[in-house]
Amino acid sequence: DGGITQSPKYLFRKEGQNVTLSCEQNLNHDAMYWYRQDPGQGLRLIYYSQIVNDFQKGDIAEGYSVSREKKESFPLTVTSAQKNPTAFYLCASSIELGEQFFGPGTRLTVL
Amino acid sequence: DQQVKQNSPSLSVQEGRISILNCDYTNSMFDYFLWYKKYPAEGPTFLISISSIKDKNEDGRFTVFLNKSAKHLSLHIVPSQPGDSAVYFCAASVWSGGSNYKLTFGKGTLLTVNP
Repeated sequence: DGGITQSPKYLFRKEGQNVTLSCEQNLNHDAMYWYRQDPGQGLRLIYYSQIVNDFQKGDIAEGYSVSREKKESFPLTVTSAQKNPTAFYLCASSIELGEQFFGPGTRLTVL
Repeated sequence: DQQVKQNSPSLSVQEGRISILNCDYTNSMFDYFLWYKKYPAEGPTFLISISSIKDKNEDGRFTVFLNKSAKHLSLHIVPSQPGDSAVYFCAASVWSGGSNYKLTFGKGTLLTVNP
């Protein structure tokens, strides 16, 4: 059963702590993406990766970091430098041509 | 500067009637457009897409129209059903020459279909 998994569904962290969000796909897609969604806002691109060991900054990369050591995995770290980390985070993947498939999302709340 | 605009935050229609969701874009380089549907606390799901070489694409109850000269696209849902109630995002991309599409999303329109 192919798809994208994100864990956990809900995540709580104290201010000043780094936190890593998991994203795994078994669709054999080359490209993977991280977005954040805030209330009343569209999806904004944080980072994306076209192939293993390569990634590029999106529109709002400040305060975030990623790695792409395996084709299936694209974890996102929200660092303490991110000013407003509380948001709904979405991971997606795509083949070379075609639509992006999204995971179920992780809601991060920083207390 | 918002490159993809969905100017109606919400839309309410009666079951069985037509729903029309609109989207405008400013970047003339966009050549591929998509519509996604999203329920609360879930990831968006792909609905339908259209490339700039077409002006219409149809899939069941969903039809997307593209007017390149006006930089405008619309999603028609006929007939509308209560299960269509969700947030609809318009997205656009520029073929980058690489192996991925970067998508630029609008802010979404909340569609409510009343029984």
